[in-house]
Amino acid sequence: QKEVEQDPGPLSVPEGAIVSLNCTYSNSAFQYFMWYRQYSRKGPELLMYTYSSGNKEDGRFTAQVDKSSKYISLFIRDSQPSDSATYLCAMSVGNYGQNFVFGPGTRLSVLP
Amino acid sequence: ETGVTQTPRHLVMGMTNKKSLKCEQHLGHNAMYWYKQSAKKPLELMFVYNFKEQTENNSVPSRFSPECPNSSHLFLHLHTLQPEDSALYLCASSQDTERGGNEQFFGPGTRLTVL
Repeated sequence: QKEVEQDPGPLSVPEGAIVSLNCTYSNSAFQYFMWYRQYSRKGPELLMYTYSSGNKEDGRFTAQVDKSSKYISLFIRDSQPSDSATYLCAMSVGNYGQNFVFGPGTRLSVLP
Repeated sequence: ETGVTQTPRHLVMGMTNKKSLKCEQHLGHNAMYWYKQSAKKPLELMFVYNFKEQTENNSVPSRFSPECPNSSHLFLHLHTLQPEDSALYLCASSQDTERGGNEQFFGPGTRLTVL
């Protein structure tokens, strides 16, 4: 079993739709959970960062962590064509900031 | 320049060539990272430097040789690469490696093609 699994997509949605992106993981020791957005020909940029379980909201973006199910989600409300990118989940065990494990990414296209 | 910069942005090399990738961060960070990103695969961590000291070598073949002369600069020296080494090589930096989950800032990457 891979340590972090993520549906690679591509996922195509119409503008204005609510997008749900998900990752599952196998290591119950993960404490920190992140979502990165990567536009074509660019490096990943951090979108959301959460510690342990719960929800975090930032504008149109909401991150959810369910540690009991080893499942994390990123919701994008009122999606825009500018949200078209690859979304990478990442996670790490506490105290070792370098040990990020990334998912393979989900490619999202928001159609005007 | 701001953030994390990488040069060159594109590189084509033969299997017998020697080349180097350069990364520079302007964020005052103390940790720097090299990642390999291949199509449809997760980011693979290659090397980690914290305060100029290498703290992680993720079983990377010796044909990849990192160098970190100071906290702002990171190099990846390449020699006798294989075609399967073709990928996007990303550099990242963070405040340090001691705090769990601290944010990594990525450069735009170098797209490497090995013929």
